[in-house]
Order: sequence, then C-alpha cells, then structure tokens
Amino acid sequence: DAKTTQPPSMDCAEGRAANLPCNHSTISGNEYVYWYRQIHSQGPQYIIHGLKNNETNEMASLIITEDRKSSTLILPHATLRDTAVYYCISLLFGNEKLTFGTGTRLTIIP
Amino acid sequence: DAGVIQSPRHEVTEMGQEVTLRCKPISGHNSLFWYRQTMMRGLELLIYFNNNVPIDDSGMPEDRFSAKMPNASFSTLKIQPSEPRDSAVYFCACKRSGGPDTQYFGPGTRLTVL
Repeated sequence: DAKTTQPPSMDCAEGRAANLPCNHSTISGNEYVYWYRQIHSQGPQYIIHGLKNNETNEMASLIITEDRKSSTLILPHATLRDTAVYYCISLLFGNEKLTFGTGTRLTIIP
Repeated sequence: DAGVIQSPRHEVTEMGQEVTLRCKPISGHNSLFWYRQTMMRGLELLIYFNNNVPIDDSGMPEDRFSAKMPNASFSTLKIQPSEPRDSAVYFCACKRSGGPDTQYFGPGTRLTVL
C-alpha cells in the first residue's frame, strides 16, 4: 500500500467547510483511498473511500485529483463534534490490513 | 445492531498477571481484527481472522500475546504474563469478508499494567 502524507494538525471555524489534504504520490491504479477518523477516547470510524471518482456521502465528500496523487476530504459544515484525528489510508483492493499513520488532528473552533 | 462489543472497557492489573480481552463482532461480519494503540506507536494491527481462522499474526509483538476466535461471535486476546509496556488501548474491529474494506471498531479496552 502506498505511503500517505498528511499535515499533523489543522484548525477550522465551526460552520465552515473543513478541507483535509492527503498526498499519496506513489498510489497504484488499484489502490483505494480510505478516510477514517478517531474522536477522543473512541474507536476509529469509517468516513468514506474512493478509487478515481469523487465521492460523497452523508458525512463528507472526497475529492481525488485526476492523477490520483492527492485527495481532499471535505466536511461541508464542520461542527464541534468533528474535532478528531483524521486518517488517510491507501489500500490495495482485497487487502484487509489497514495501516494507520499519524493522521491530521482537526480542531473545530467555536 | 449493538455494534462491536468489547469487555472489559478498563483493566488494571499487576505485572505478571494474565489478562484476557474479549470481543463480540457484529453479526455476519466474518473478518475480525485486533489493534493496539499507544502514544509512541500509534494504532497497530496485531492479528486478524477470516471465518474464525487466523490469517496474519505478524503484528503480534511476542509469544506472550495470543488470540483465538472459537466461533463467529467471539474472540479473545490474551497476554500472559503482562508487562507495563503492554499498557495501551486495545481495539477490536470487524468487517464483511469480500466487501468494501470498511472496518467497524469497538470502543476499546484501556489496559494498564502496573
């Protein structure tokens, strides 16, 4: 699985869109990009995943660049409950082993 | 659905004692994972099972650690004897085999070894 790089921390004002970047320049054609988050003292929680196309669900949107070397997770209207560590993970299709890096610690400011 | 159930939620024990952590996965999810999280090493995969069979235990730190899955609804992670450096939060997760790699995590067991 390709290595991912994320900024260690970010702040975002409550009610604004939070945009979390992730670099995965060595990603291969059949590796997915997954996002999980971990709220303090809880287990990680799945957010969204994608391969090539942009994806949206009730929690977030995932924008993947055309060359697939980077992606952005967007939380459209951040709330205080979105304060968490966000992990970007690349995963080969069929590989069940998630490798968590250090993630981005997102703090939502009231 | 109650989600992944882990017990106990907190465990404090003394060095040298045996510790058993328990996990009940979501019904129908036949892949099960044990993770450990520490400040120093982050979140690490210890072992995972598919249809109750251990598939990859390369993350198990040493022979003091063992894991079993006697049936589809129960798994244990045992540490014997425990050491202070085993202090961590241990998470159990599960997913449906063959489907998207969406893992569902339990609330974790916070282990403190004195």
